[in-house]
Amino acid sequence: DAKTTQPTSMDCAEGRAANLPCNHSTISGNEYVYWYRQIHSQGPQYIIHGLKNNETNEMASLIITEDRKSSTLILPHATLRDTAVYYCIVRPPNTGNQFYFGTGTSLTVIP
Amino acid sequence: DSGVTQTPKHLITATGQRVTLRCSPRSGDLSVYWYQQSLDQGLQFLIHYYNGEERAKGNILERFSAQQFPDLHSELNLSSLELGDSALYFCASSEGTGKAKNIQYFGAGTRLSVL
Repeated sequence: DAKTTQPTSMDCAEGRAANLPCNHSTISGNEYVYWYRQIHSQGPQYIIHGLKNNETNEMASLIITEDRKSSTLILPHATLRDTAVYYCIVRPPNTGNQFYFGTGTSLTVIP
Repeated sequence: DSGVTQTPKHLITATGQRVTLRCSPRSGDLSVYWYQQSLDQGLQFLIHYYNGEERAKGNILERFSAQQFPDLHSELNLSSLELGDSALYFCASSEGTGKAKNIQYFGAGTRLSVL
């Protein structure tokens, strides 16, 4: 699986957009980008995924660059409950195997 | 609520003992995954089952074993427990292999404390 690089930590003011970057310069053509988050010792929670087009759901937006070497997860209006560790994962679509979770980005939403 | 149920939530035991962790996947999901999360290691993949068959192994110790039953629930057995086995153990489920989405849904975890 392609390796990802994320900042260790970030802060965001409550109500503002949180933009979490992820570099995946060795991504292959058929590998998807997944985002999960883990709120203090709870089970990881799926947020969003995409291949090459930008994606949006009720939780977040995912912006993938045209060369697919990086992506940004956007939480449009961060709340205190969005404080969590966010993981960016890339993997091919047609395997049922594990996700490799790196160290992720610890996002702190500040009141 | 992810739909994945793990029991027990907490488990306290002594070194040398054996424990069993249980996971019920989301309705209709055929794949079950087990992960271990300790303070200094992050989330580590242990093993994957699909429809009762083992599909992949990660960093799973020989003292650990798992199985998936015909009703698709899974159990993770940890034996000869050591202090270092203290961790959060998560189960996840997904629709199965060969699916483009392959989204895994995680349970709330079992916190194991070995004293």
